[in-house]
Amino acid sequence: EAGVAQSPRYKIIEKRQSVAFWCNPISGHATLYWYQQILGQGPKLLIQFQNNGVVDDSQLPKDRFSAERLKGVDSTLKIQPAKLEDSAVYLCASSLSTGGAFYGYTFGSGTRLTVV
Amino acid sequence: AQSVTQPDIHITVSEGASLELRCNYSYGATPYLFWYVQSPGQGLQLLLKYFSGDTLVQGIKGFEAEFKRSQSSFNLRKPSVHWSDAAEYFCAVGANDYKLSFGAGTTVTVRA
Repeated sequence: EAGVAQSPRYKIIEKRQSVAFWCNPISGHATLYWYQQILGQGPKLLIQFQNNGVVDDSQLPKDRFSAERLKGVDSTLKIQPAKLEDSAVYLCASSLSTGGAFYGYTFGSGTRLTVV
Repeated sequence: AQSVTQPDIHITVSEGASLELRCNYSYGATPYLFWYVQSPGQGLQLLLKYFSGDTLVQGIKGFEAEFKRSQSSFNLRKPSVHWSDAAEYFCAVGANDYKLSFGAGTTVTVRA
């Protein structure tokens, strides 16, 4: 099966600019997650989607971050305007989580964002 | 809310030697427990997971982990390390909300 696809792999922008990341999960995976991984830290959940609805966005800095999953398949994460502290790897993951079972995530390779 | 502590930031081990990475979790009920590995510039790859049953779990690449409820631990082990095992390892705990909380990670360096 194809894995979780993310693009771009790398992005360098200046502070106050905007940037968007794209993710296509594994086919059939209803749940999609965006994680932020700052250098030297573990991934931190930003937002969780179930199909095209938001389940949890409590850790998403909504003044500058937004995410959507309009058709319940691929998703876009946007930052506008970017700050220096947004420099991180943005990981997308999907999971097959139905019927009360949880099988863990499959991660994409991530997008490494550098804000200068 | 669940949380994970990985006490060791960095471990150096000789090739062929055994490896053990520590993980302690905090969660009120029976957790879902995972170990992921991340090579430089790559995403996270699942090594193994524990949901229930046998407390000794076998994973890929020769890794195993043991769930000890009394110690709230889920330590990862490998009997003989290869140079390709150099990477960062993350322990994670999940709950019924299908979200994972990750530890800060342990970086493993393998010396020849």
